[in-house]
Order: sequence, then C-alpha cells, then structure tokens
Amino acid sequence: DIQMTQSPSSVSASVGDRVTITCRASQGVSRWLAWYQQKAGKAPKVLIYAASSLQSGVPSRFSGSGSGTEFTLTISSLQPEDFATYYCQQANSFPLTFGQGTKVEIK
Amino acid sequence: QLQLQESGPGLVKPSETLSLTCTVSGGSITSSSYYWGWIRQPPGKGLEWIASIFYSGSTYHNPSLESRVTMSVDTSKNQFSLKLSSVTAADTAVYYCVRFREVVPGATVDYWGQGALVTVSS
Repeated sequence: DIQMTQSPSSVSASVGDRVTITCRASQGVSRWLAWYQQKAGKAPKVLIYAASSLQSGVPSRFSGSGSGTEFTLTISSLQPEDFATYYCQQANSFPLTFGQGTKVEIK
Repeated sequence: QLQLQESGPGLVKPSETLSLTCTVSGGSITSSSYYWGWIRQPPGKGLEWIASIFYSGSTYHNPSLESRVTMSVDTSKNQFSLKLSSVTAADTAVYYCVRFREVVPGATVDYWGQGALVTVSS
C-alpha cells in the first residue's frame, strides 16, 4: 500500500494568512493526488484533483502543486470558512489511501 | 444535482453483518464515466477507502477488508450496496457512499453522501 503522510498535523493561523500543507507519498503517484476539505460533522469535499486542478466552484485562493512523492496545498489568504481539516488522497493505484489529515485552527 | 443517500441499520451486533445501501438521485448509476464506492471514518479519525464498483459489477476492494466485503449494484433501483461481515467494534464508523470520477489512475471522489453512523455494539 502507498502510505500518505501529511505535515503538519495541525496549524494555527489567522484570517488572511498564507497556509501551506504538505503531503508525501511512500512511492511515486505521478500527478494523481487529490485534496479534500472536511468541516465538523460534514462529508469531505474535493478542492483539488490531479495535483493542481481546481475543482469547479472552489475559490481560487486554493491551489495545489507537486508530482511524484511530494505535494502541497496552499491557501493564499485564509478565510473564516476555511477553518477545517484537510486530507490528501493518492488516486494512482488501489488501495486508495488518505493522509491522516491536517487541522487548520483559528489562532 | 447528483445526490447520494445512505440507508441501513445504525446499530449492528459484533460478529454480524453490516449492510448499507446507497440510493443515487439526479443521475444514472449506469453512466460509463464513473465508479461508485464506500469510504468510512471512525469517530475522530481519518478516512479509509473500503471498495469501489462499476455499474457492470466489476469491483475493487481494500485488501485489509477484502475477505469481509461484498459490494453489489442494482441498476433498476439506481442503488449500490455494501455488506461487511464479522464486524467488531473497530468497524464502528461513519460510512460514506461516494462517486469516483474515474477508476485508477485518477480515482477522485466528486460526490459524497451525507454519511451514516454505524455502531457495532451488543
């Protein structure tokens, strides 16, 4: 199985801050990586697919980059509605696997 | 707008079989572009992929669960189902039914059900 490791596990930030989350795969997944946002008590929703493609309807302050084994999700200017937990997921091969999550908290 | 809705018992006894059904509305389960599947999330923990199925019936399972998992599709009802046998407390989780825009590579979830909490307890 491909192990996905996110860092940091949590981050405290203020509205307007730039936030970067890293996801590392234990083996190469090419560009097949997705990012999801999950708010408390809700299902996740996709933000980024294929490493850098923005899902329709997602604000442009979210961006993704990377390929192979290292990927980043960047929120350029944190908004109040962005406080949530973020997960990466490798979409390259079965079994599909997720990172452990990064919680973005209010500073 | 596509919607997915999980249904099934919220409480299952240890060693019994967990059964959930996902009803798809606003779109056809027989669309050739998509796979359907289940992802679960234990309380306070992360996400785990369980299995995926195409409307034709071809399936992919997580090896960590494979011997206990059965997925099926009912195209006449626009539904797909999950059965997980020999459950233990470790199977307590919110179970999400989902749509994948592709099979691998590219298996990204673009639609999620609201989730169904299933508790395993006697």
